[in-house]
Amino acid sequence: GDSVTQMEGPVTLSEEAFLTINCTYTATGYPSLFWYVQYPGEGLQLLLKATKADDKGSNKGFEATYRKETTSFHLEKGSVQVSDSAVYFCALIPSGSARQLTFGSGTQLTVLP
Amino acid sequence: GAVVSQHPSRVICKSGTSVKIECRSLDFQATTMFWYRQFPKQSLMLMATSNEGSKATYEQGVEKDKFLINHASLTLSTLTVTSAHPEDSSFYICSLAGGYNEQFFGPGTRLTVL
Repeated sequence: GDSVTQMEGPVTLSEEAFLTINCTYTATGYPSLFWYVQYPGEGLQLLLKATKADDKGSNKGFEATYRKETTSFHLEKGSVQVSDSAVYFCALIPSGSARQLTFGSGTQLTVLP
Repeated sequence: GAVVSQHPSRVICKSGTSVKIECRSLDFQATTMFWYRQFPKQSLMLMATSNEGSKATYEQGVEKDKFLINHASLTLSTLTVTSAHPEDSSFYICSLAGGYNEQFFGPGTRLTVL
């Protein structure tokens, strides 16, 4: 079945450091790919998405590129801030599905001042 | 995107009682809503898909008689945890299906069963 594998956390970085959170997926066809962010005690917010190969999603300085050849959708940010501390989830919706999301395990990011 | 609310945000109940959690779409007519469960420091697990006007579709391993889902209108879905036990303590999150492959999430409900 479809699955998402995320880099295990927790990840701790200093402010202004470069961030990469790896995400790879297993799915047939061309799924839509997402990154969601969850701040403490809150629900999920969509951070960015990409719906076809080579698409780059970006938002709030975060970027991820849909790489079909490596089945990856790694999240990157050039300079993290303390306010970026949260849990990040990679997710997919299979092509032609009833919009059911499959989530990765989540990666806890802590940014220190 | 669509705004989704959940009520209550936190609830503490005694073992054996039932708890109802509401998920409302404030500005979008949602024919499909999803209910997820999240254990501490873990990912979201889909419990069921709620379709307006019809029975919910439950994921394997989710007891439909324990987790009652009602989606009576395009703006409201409810999840009732019946005869709750401490192992049902969790963070319950709903989402609604928006446009193309979009889901909009509620803020979640923290259930603690004593």
